[in-house]
Amino acid sequence: EIVMTQSPATLSVSPGERATLSCRASRSVSSRLAWYQQKPGQAPRLLIYGASTRATGIPVRFSGSGSGTEFTLTISSLQSEDFAIYYCQQYKDWPPEYTFGQGTKLEIK
Amino acid sequence: EVQLVESGGGLVQPGGSLRLSCIASGFPFSSYWMNWVRQTPGKGLEWVASIKQDGGEEFYVDSLRGRFTISRDNAKNSLYLQMNSLRVEDTAVYYCAREAGATCDYWGQGALVTVSS
Repeated sequence: EIVMTQSPATLSVSPGERATLSCRASRSVSSRLAWYQQKPGQAPRLLIYGASTRATGIPVRFSGSGSGTEFTLTISSLQSEDFAIYYCQQYKDWPPEYTFGQGTKLEIK
Repeated sequence: EVQLVESGGGLVQPGGSLRLSCIASGFPFSSYWMNWVRQTPGKGLEWVASIKQDGGEEFYVDSLRGRFTISRDNAKNSLYLQMNSLRVEDTAVYYCAREAGATCDYWGQGALVTVSS
């Protein structure tokens, strides 16, 4: 099983500043990496897939990068609605298998 | 608008069974793989199972294979999760999610399952 490790566990950033979240895979997942945002009481929302492609309707301030084992989610200028928990997820095409990171809580500084 | 609505959650005793349902609307249900994903405070998000468009193939996380069964009824736009021999550690919010490009692009609001005596 591929283990996904996110860092930091909690990130404190001021509105308007940039946030950089990291995700590491225990072995290469190529570009099969997605990022999700989750707010309290809500289901996760897909932000990024294929490591760097924004999902439908996701603002351009969200960007993803990386391949292999090291990935980054960057939020260029934090808005109030961006404070949430972010999860990375790797997916193996066949047979299907998905594993999530433990999450990074993005909080207001 | 894509909508996924889960139902069937509740309180069940250890060793008991429960069947979750998910009704889909707003997209051609029979054209998509579907998933169940659960979330616990302790383990976070965990993929549970996936099922092919026609129901002909199913895949499970290793730890749940044999106790949980995913199924679907395309005529009813419905996805199911049969959970047997439930344990305290199966307590979680269970989400159904549409799969697109091997990611979950739409999620339901979740169904809470509590396993407790």
